[in-house]
Amino acid sequence: EAGVAQSPRYKIIEKRQSVAFWCNPISGHATLYWYQQILGQGPKLLIQFQNNGVVDDSQLPKDRFSAERLKGVDSTLKIQPAKLEDSAVYLCASSFRTGAGELFFGEGSRLTVL
Amino acid sequence: GENVEQHPSTLSVQEGDSAVIKCTYSDSASNYFPWYKQELGKRPQLIIDIRSNVGEKKDQRIAVTLNKTAKHFSLHITETQPEDSAVYFCAASGAGSYQLTFGKGTKLSVIP
Repeated sequence: EAGVAQSPRYKIIEKRQSVAFWCNPISGHATLYWYQQILGQGPKLLIQFQNNGVVDDSQLPKDRFSAERLKGVDSTLKIQPAKLEDSAVYLCASSFRTGAGELFFGEGSRLTVL
Repeated sequence: GENVEQHPSTLSVQEGDSAVIKCTYSDSASNYFPWYKQELGKRPQLIIDIRSNVGEKKDQRIAVTLNKTAKHFSLHITETQPEDSAVYFCAASGAGSYQLTFGKGTKLSVIP
């Protein structure tokens, strides 16, 4: 089966610019997650969707980050305006259902903010 | 919220030796504990997981143990091979939230 697809793989922007990342989960997976992985650290959950509804966005910096999952399939994560500390890999993951089980990660989108 | 501590941050072993990585968690209600392996530049992938109603689980050269009383769990890799070199992350998921909190990772190097 096809895995979780993400794009772009790499993005370099100046601070205060905006950027958007796209994720297409595994077909049939109802739950989608966006994680931020700063170099040398473990993934940190930003937002969790169940179908097209938000389950948890408590760790999403809402003054600059936004995410949506239209029609309960693809998702986009946007950062505007970007800060230097946003430099990280943004990982999208999906799972078949909400509940304790395996997450399938995409390859990630590496963001560098100069 | 949940807090997961992972040790050591780096680990070097000779090929064929065993490797042990330890994690502690703070939320006594957590009930799911997966381990992910992330090779350089690649996506994290699940290698083994354990639920709170089980004390130990094995899959070939990999085993995970869980001590609910002490709130810690460990990954054991026996007969290490160079392809085991990667960063390993432990995680914990609380009852009800199902959200994974990850440790900071252990970089394992297996020296041929």
